[in-house]
Amino acid sequence: QSALTQPASVSGSPGQSITISCTGTSSDFGSYDYVSWYQQYPGKAPKLMIYDVNNRPSGVSNRFSGSKSGNTASLTISGLQAEDEADYYCSLYINTTTLGFGGGTKLTVL
Amino acid sequence: EVRLVESGGGLVQRGGSQRLSCAASGFTFSTYWMSWVRQAPGKGLEWVANIKQDGSEKYYVDSVKGRVTISRDNAKKSLDLQMSSLRAEDTAVYYCARYRCSSSSCFIDYWGQGTLVTVSS
Repeated sequence: QSALTQPASVSGSPGQSITISCTGTSSDFGSYDYVSWYQQYPGKAPKLMIYDVNNRPSGVSNRFSGSKSGNTASLTISGLQAEDEADYYCSLYINTTTLGFGGGTKLTVL
Repeated sequence: EVRLVESGGGLVQRGGSQRLSCAASGFTFSTYWMSWVRQAPGKGLEWVANIKQDGSEKYYVDSVKGRVTISRDNAKKSLDLQMSSLRAEDTAVYYCARYRCSSSSCFIDYWGQGTLVTVSS
């Protein structure tokens, strides 16, 4: 199964933009554009924020955006708000038999 | 509204068995792959198992192979996870999840609220 690396924590002030990275191996990412991102509040279930690198589900704020370059995918949150403080996980679809998750990043809004 | 409601968690002895269930509603259950994902206390997410729409294909993370069986009943709109030979490292919140697949990729788009399994020694 895939190992995806995320920073343990990031922080930012309200109104700022932050970026969370998700790095895998070239064999993981390769030509794949199948990265998704999840937001999780303490004690709650994860919520899908981004899929297929840069697509937002209905109802997700356009302050959330995704991108990918080489072996690294990124989640950017612009106009940071207090409610954005949560854990964020990246996930990579390899095939129907395997789904990998990053270790998670704790976002602190200062 | 998509709803996934897990049940069956609790305290179990090491080496014991536990069966988790998930009741699905608000979507056509039989047309989706389904998954179980777990999260150990204070840790990250770990995919555990997938099952195809008709139950003909099942896949597991290496650490649970041979000890865990995923199954579904499309008539009842339910998903199960039968776990045996439980270890301390199986202690986690187990999430039932809908695995949405397009022509090119799959991802989890809905999660249940989770059910906690605690394996005691």
